[in-house]
Amino acid sequence: AQKVTQAQTEISVVEKEDVTLDCVYETRDTTYYLFWYKQPPSGELVFLIRRNSFDEQNEISGRYSWNFQKSTSSFNFTITASQVVDSAVYFCALSEVGRTYKYIFGTGTRLKVLA
Amino acid sequence: DGGITQSPKYLFRKEGQNVTLSCEQNLNHDAMYWYRQDPGQGLRLIYYSQIVNDFQKGDIAEGYSVSREKKESFPLTVTSAQKNPTAFYLCASRDGGYNSPLHFGNGTRLTVT
Repeated sequence: AQKVTQAQTEISVVEKEDVTLDCVYETRDTTYYLFWYKQPPSGELVFLIRRNSFDEQNEISGRYSWNFQKSTSSFNFTITASQVVDSAVYFCALSEVGRTYKYIFGTGTRLKVLA
Repeated sequence: DGGITQSPKYLFRKEGQNVTLSCEQNLNHDAMYWYRQDPGQGLRLIYYSQIVNDFQKGDIAEGYSVSREKKESFPLTVTSAQKNPTAFYLCASRDGGYNSPLHFGNGTRLTVT
């Protein structure tokens, strides 16, 4: 079965702390894509990153970094030196070859960064 | 600027009434989607459309209907048959295949009393 699990429902950190959001997925496909989205209080989901199943190279973009490990079926997201503006709900999603219509979303992790 | 517009942002209806949520995109995307978001349940797919005049049911289509008469428009009707219609509704579009990210509107919060 295809599934995306974000076990952390809510995380609170103090500004400037590092925080890691976990994402574990299940799929029988060998080719698939993983995504992270951010949903600020305004409600609109914003695309952050896409990673395909053949590319396990970790990526860093400013204060954001992503760790993709096929061996553990995980695609974790780390924010370094968190800021209040990072407060949002973050979703991990899976898209599989042959299932072009369907993105499978996790339940989201609400991140609160306190000043 | 290109984007997806959902209107209205907030919508209130009495139980038993049908209501239509608007979704318009000027991104020239072929595929469009409707998701429902409830606290603690992530995003659940209601309907999707890959081309004009064609649409498919998602995981929770019961009590909803859609149309896709134009590429840029994908309205969602919440019918009186939907047992728990109060939710946040998100419209999205995509310009390619399974590897393309979704582009989302800013959502409509529907409250039915």
